[in-house]
Amino acid sequence: NAGVMQNPRHLVRRRGQEARLRCSPVKGHSHVYWYRQLPEEGLKFMVYLQKENIIDESGMPKERFSAEFPKEGPSILRIQQVVRGDSAAYFCASSPSPDRTYNSPLHFGNGTRLTVT
Amino acid sequence: QKEVEQNSGPLSVPEGAIASLNCTYSDRGSQSFFWYRQYSGKSPELIMSIYSNGDKEDGRFTAQLNKASQYVSLLIRDSQPSDSATYLCAPTSSYTGRRALTFGSGTRLQVQP
Repeated sequence: NAGVMQNPRHLVRRRGQEARLRCSPVKGHSHVYWYRQLPEEGLKFMVYLQKENIIDESGMPKERFSAEFPKEGPSILRIQQVVRGDSAAYFCASSPSPDRTYNSPLHFGNGTRLTVT
Repeated sequence: QKEVEQNSGPLSVPEGAIASLNCTYSDRGSQSFFWYRQYSGKSPELIMSIYSNGDKEDGRFTAQLNKASQYVSLLIRDSQPSDSATYLCAPTSSYTGRRALTFGSGTRLQVQP
């Protein structure tokens, strides 16, 4: 029973390039969360998605960042025109249905470490 | 006021001692509380959950919750060097539109052999 799978584990991009981070939730989970962790800092919420729907994107920067969770396939966090400040660890977590989400913990993938050179 | 506050540490304790990690939160409606452990360079790992006032014990870990004081703590008995990590506190949100967890910035624990 696989947990949350993220890939790639490490991603290096030059300034101005695009970064695509992928997250496959636990089988049967329909909700995905993305968090960002800057070096030596805490986890910051970015976006919460249900399949084909963004529920809460209050933590997403207004520009360059977007996320999707299509009906088929993994959730994608996309960062356009990356800058050095985007260098961070990006973690994905998933949960089952909304009724069970409220009091349920999140289980995280291993994260993608993005380095912008 | 931050939603979740933790002392960043480092908290240094000798091996075998009790480590006490504290967390305060601002959302009076929070119902569930989670403690995560994060080793350097790794992902957060759930170690304890607590839902009602009082103590909850699981092995060497005890979570304590006081909703009136908006305070939750984690005690680690017989601390081991392998417990050295950052511990993150995460209460749920009472805001119906927000189902994501908000994390504290974490307390770094160092257990000295």
